[in-house]
Amino acid sequence: GAVVSQHPSWVICKSGTSVKIECRSLDFQATTMFWYRQFPKQSLMLMATSNEGSKATYEQGVEKDKFLINHASLTLSTLTVTSAHPEDSSFYICSACAVAEGDHNEQFFGPGTRLTVL
Amino acid sequence: GQNIDQPTEMTATEGAIVQINCTYQTSGFNGLFWYQQHAGEAPTFLSYNVLDGLEEKGRFSSFLSRSKGYSYLLLKELQMKDSASYLCAVLDSNYQLIWGAGTKLIIKP
Repeated sequence: GAVVSQHPSWVICKSGTSVKIECRSLDFQATTMFWYRQFPKQSLMLMATSNEGSKATYEQGVEKDKFLINHASLTLSTLTVTSAHPEDSSFYICSACAVAEGDHNEQFFGPGTRLTVL
Repeated sequence: GQNIDQPTEMTATEGAIVQINCTYQTSGFNGLFWYQQHAGEAPTFLSYNVLDGLEEKGRFSSFLSRSKGYSYLLLKELQMKDSASYLCAVLDSNYQLIWGAGTKLIIKP
């Protein structure tokens, strides 16, 4: 199956700093990548859909000026949490869309990035 | 609105069989996915159904009835490592994935 990587896996930072998370599709080109956030014991919450070469589409309630998304190439999307605060502490997961076996579109998930803001 | 319902938590015994149900109401339908998510990890793909019927894959099977807006994931010969959350997700008419809240499955020896 397709492989998606995320970096870093863990981030601990002070309140007010900015954190950049990278999402890479390693063995396929992903025109669309998705960014999710998951709080403890809750389901995935889609934050934004990122299309290569264009502006990301943010879900309702997600501040686009706080969560900056850049999808500069077909294999890389970045999420920058600007001026992070403790309430931004969460598990951030990216996924990339590819055609899987059986010809259906499938989202392949990265391993996630756990952000802790002190 | 769009809605995916699945039980919050289920408990089963090692070696037994468990069925996790999922009902959905979405704007359009382009397939239903089941994912497994262990605590602290990203989801991993289990199954995809777009036609009615049962898809079997080893110890796991997934069933879909589009007319009833219903799916289930069947896990046989349960092992302790199957303790995880199981997420049901539907691809709507805009090819957006709509996620259920997940079912936490607890396996007891």
